[in-house]
Formats: sequence, structure tokens, C-alpha cells
Amino acid sequence: GNSVTQMEGPVTLSEEAFLTINCTYTATGYPSLFWYVQYPGEGLQLLLKATKADDKGSNKGFEATYRKETTSFHLEKGSVQVSDSAVYFCAPPSGAQKLVFGQGTRLTINP
Amino acid sequence: GAVVSQHPSWVICKSGTSVKIECRSLDFQATTMFWYRQFPKQSLMLMATSNEGSKATYEQGVEKDKFLINHASLTLSTLTVTSAHPEDSSFYICSVSLQLYNEQFFGPGTRLTVL
Repeated sequence: GNSVTQMEGPVTLSEEAFLTINCTYTATGYPSLFWYVQYPGEGLQLLLKATKADDKGSNKGFEATYRKETTSFHLEKGSVQVSDSAVYFCAPPSGAQKLVFGQGTRLTINP
Repeated sequence: GAVVSQHPSWVICKSGTSVKIECRSLDFQATTMFWYRQFPKQSLMLMATSNEGSKATYEQGVEKDKFLINHASLTLSTLTVTSAHPEDSSFYICSVSLQLYNEQFFGPGTRLTVL
């Protein structure tokens, strides 16, 4: 079945630093890929998604490019803010089907 | 996208009692919903798939008689934690599966504390 490997955390950065959180996957075909974010004490929110190869998903300054040649969907942001502190989940290749999440990456941004 | 609500947002109960958590899809009908459990500082664990009009499908290791799921309508699924114990304390999150958007939409979660 489909699976995902996500960079382990926790990750601690200073404000305005560059962020990369790695995510690689295995899948049959070329499914949609997702990044979810969970702020402290809250449920999950969709951060961004890409529906086909070479697509770039973007939202709130975050970007991720669906790269089928490396089966990766790394999350990047050029200048992080304190408000970006959260847990980030790269969701396995899926759509509306059952999702089995990886461990998540806890990000802390210090002022 | 879809808006998903959960009620209550938090609940505290005594050991041995049962607690019901509701998950509602406010603007779409959903034949499929999912229930997840999350321990502090850990990832989400899928507990079961809730199917409207039929029995839920439970993941391996999840006790069906402990976590009762009812999906009686296209907008409501309920999770009942029966005879709750302190180890059932957790953050429970539901999601709605919508083929139209080819993605899932998550509720805000319910924090259960069993004393």
C-alpha cells in the first residue's frame, strides 16, 4: 500500500529562518499529496496540496512541489514566523480515502 | 471545502461512565467519516471508518465494543467511549471524506479526560 516517510522532529528555528521539512512517499500511480498543520490544541487543517506531478501547492508562504522522479513532497518556507509553530503532517498519497498519518514534525519558531 | 464540527470540544468524566462525541458535516452530505485518536505529542491514529447506514470498519487493535460508532445520517457520526477509563483520555478527531474535493476535512477535535 501507499506509505510516507516524514522528517523527524522536533525542529527549532529562529524567526525569519528558512524551513524545509522532508517528505517522501511510495504510491501506486500518481495520487494527490497533502500537507496538514495542527496548531496547539486544535484539529488538523489542510495547509496545501498538489494533485499531479510537477504541481506546486502553496499557502501562507509555504510551498511544496510534487516530484514524481524523487517521490518527494518537501515542505518549504523562505522566512518562518513565530505563528508557524505547529505540528506538520505529510499525508500519505490519497484523496478522500483512508489516511494513515506519519509521525508529524513539531516545529518551534523562536523570536 | 467542507466545514466539520465536533461536540463537545472538551469533556471530563468519571471512570466507568460513557461519553458520546458528535461529528457533524455542516454543509455537505458525507457517506464516509473517519475517527482518529491522538495522544499528546504524537501522531493521529486512525481508529475506524464510519459508513452511513452500515457498520463501521475498525482498525486492527481498536475495540469495537469499547468505541461504538454510529453513522445514522449523512451529516452525523457519533463515537461513544463506553465504560471510560483514564487510559482512554485523549484527543479525538473526526474527518469527513468528500470525493468531490478528493480530500478529507477535519473537525476541531474533542479532548476527553477521564478521572
